[in-house]
Amino acid sequence: QSALTQPRSVSGSPGQSVTISCTGTSSDVGGYNYVSWYQQHPGKAPKLMIYDVSKRPSGVPDRFSGSKSGNTASLTISGLQAEDEADYYCCSYAGSYTPYVFGTGTKVTVL
Amino acid sequence: QVQLQQSGPGLVKPSQTLSLTCAISGDSVSSNSAAWNWIRQSPSRGLEWLGRTYYRSKWYNDYAVSVKSRITINPDTSKNQFSLQLNSVTPEDTAVYYCARVEGSSSWFKNWFDPWGQGTLVTVSS
Repeated sequence: QSALTQPRSVSGSPGQSVTISCTGTSSDVGGYNYVSWYQQHPGKAPKLMIYDVSKRPSGVPDRFSGSKSGNTASLTISGLQAEDEADYYCCSYAGSYTPYVFGTGTKVTVL
Repeated sequence: QVQLQQSGPGLVKPSQTLSLTCAISGDSVSSNSAAWNWIRQSPSRGLEWLGRTYYRSKWYNDYAVSVKSRITINPDTSKNQFSLQLNSVTPEDTAVYYCARVEGSSSWFKNWFDPWGQGTLVTVSS
């Protein structure tokens, strides 16, 4: 099972929007509505930001939103804030053989 | 609020066994609505799901194909924790290891990880 493909980095100024893509195959992203997104600050554990493609856990700001089209999922951060600077990883369910595959990770820089 | 607390050595010699423990508070390792996972992260391999253990009238384990011949995940109901053992390690196994919960029911899983343990950097070196 190959890792999902994400851009290495994206950047934006405070208040702007950025979108991170996560490209897989019909065996993972495209085959299930089970994409989740995680935020990771340096030296910290990943934190769940989005689950089931577009749902936000309690406590996650509504500036974070998720979507999916075909084999590509996306995370959009609207109204970018300094504390959003972190690494972001997508994850998809990939079937019973190896259930989970992660993305390669994207560094978000707030200019 | 569920919390996961990891423990274990940070240095393992090549060919030996890596052993880590994840202590659970706020939930039960024997819960019929959770699965307990190990995930690792390294610069070369990124985030990689390693395996899980869960109880549904009996204990089940699932392992990633990449480590299936070397991995064991065991529950410890007396201490409400679960463990990871990875045999015959090489420098390629150097990574930060995380434990994490997946919620679910008796017949399906919610396919996201929350919460995560704090992470343990394990270095394989002589």
